[in-house]
Amino acid sequence: KNQVEQSPQSLIILEGKNCTLQCNYTVSPFSNLRWYKQDTGRGPVSLTIMTFSENTKSNGRYTATLDADTKQSSLHITASQLSDSASYICVVSDRGSTLGRLYFGRGTQLTVWP
Amino acid sequence: EADIYQTPRYLVIGTGKKITLECSQTMGHDKMYWYQQDPGMELHLIHYSYGVNSTEKGDLSSESTVSRIRTEHFPLTLESARPSHTSQYLCASSERQGSYEQYFGPGTRLTVT
Repeated sequence: KNQVEQSPQSLIILEGKNCTLQCNYTVSPFSNLRWYKQDTGRGPVSLTIMTFSENTKSNGRYTATLDADTKQSSLHITASQLSDSASYICVVSDRGSTLGRLYFGRGTQLTVWP
Repeated sequence: EADIYQTPRYLVIGTGKKITLECSQTMGHDKMYWYQQDPGMELHLIHYSYGVNSTEKGDLSSESTVSRIRTEHFPLTLESARPSHTSQYLCASSERQGSYEQYFGPGTRLTVT
């Protein structure tokens, strides 16, 4: 069964600290993996997208890694800011259909305290 | 910044009412999607469209219906709202070719009393 599991479910850190969010998936055949940021009451916004051949991608203070062999990804946030408080969702796409089916994790709820 | 819009943003309505959630995008994308999301849960695909006059049901069974008469417009309709329809509804769009990057609208928070 194609699944995307994220950990931790929630995380609280102090402003300025770093953190790492984890994503494990069983989606096959794999096409790409995305990390989205979803603010409360808003739609998800894409942070990074990685294909099979990419093992790291950065977007400002966000750095995503991908290990396609172990089917694991992480999102590292550097020097956190209050505005980083949001849900971070790992999404994996398969290439078994024209639609490019997306499988969503439940997200990690990050709270940054001052 | 994605140009995809949803209205209304919030809607509280009584049981049995008919409602239409609007979604429009100005990017000329062929593919459009409707997702349902409950608090703390993953997004579930309920409808999608490859283009004008093309609509398909997604993975999560839904009593809603959709239409795609124009490329930029993908409304979702509930003929008779029930409390079980209370949820957040997110619309998204993507290009037909390429990386399948999906751009999401801000969502509609629906509460059926």
